[in-house]
Amino acid sequence: TQLLEQSPQFLSIQEGENLTVYCNSSSVFSSLQWYRQEPGEGPVLLVTVVTGGEVKKLKRLTFQFGDARKDSSLHITAAQPGDTGLYLCASREAIGSNYKLTFGKGTLLTVNP
Amino acid sequence: GAGVSQSPRYKVAKRGQDVALRCDPISGHVSLFWYQQALGQGPEFLTYFQNEAQLDKSGLPSDRFFAERPEGSVSTLKIQRTQQEDSAVYLCASSLDGAGNQPQHFGDGTRLSIL
Repeated sequence: TQLLEQSPQFLSIQEGENLTVYCNSSSVFSSLQWYRQEPGEGPVLLVTVVTGGEVKKLKRLTFQFGDARKDSSLHITAAQPGDTGLYLCASREAIGSNYKLTFGKGTLLTVNP
Repeated sequence: GAGVSQSPRYKVAKRGQDVALRCDPISGHVSLFWYQQALGQGPEFLTYFQNEAQLDKSGLPSDRFFAERPEGSVSTLKIQRTQQEDSAVYLCASSLDGAGNQPQHFGDGTRLSIL
């Protein structure tokens, strides 16, 4: 099972600031997903990255997949209180014809108004 | 609703009691997954169903954990003789196909507390 390390574990910032969180592994990802989980809710898929060097944007969120497909980052521009939540990265591991998700421990982001 | 529904949302039990957690997946979804999320951790895979068949149960922590999906829709996760270390949020997810081509949609989980 692939081990995913996320950093930082906790991040508390003021509204309007920029931030970057990271997801790393010692082995190559076939693909990587980012999720956001709000308190009392299940994780919600934000993006899937597949190709090394890939950059995807989702409004103020920018996702980057490392060239060697061993690391990924999530950058948020001008953070808002609504961005508060647990950001999880996950890799997919084959189980038969399907995939199970292996998650990192997450980065808990708090954006203060 | 159109999403994955889990019940109860909260469950408190005394150590040694048996509990049953229910998951109603999105209608028509073939695949169903159970994950366990301990406090301060990411979700960890427990088991996977394709229709009524349990194809992978490698993540179940002990033989006290049992899951079923007898008619290929609703699933129940049962924990016998609960222990304090079983306290966690139990998440259910479903996806449309059985080939990993569609994303997993998560429910809001059942928070289990063992006293």
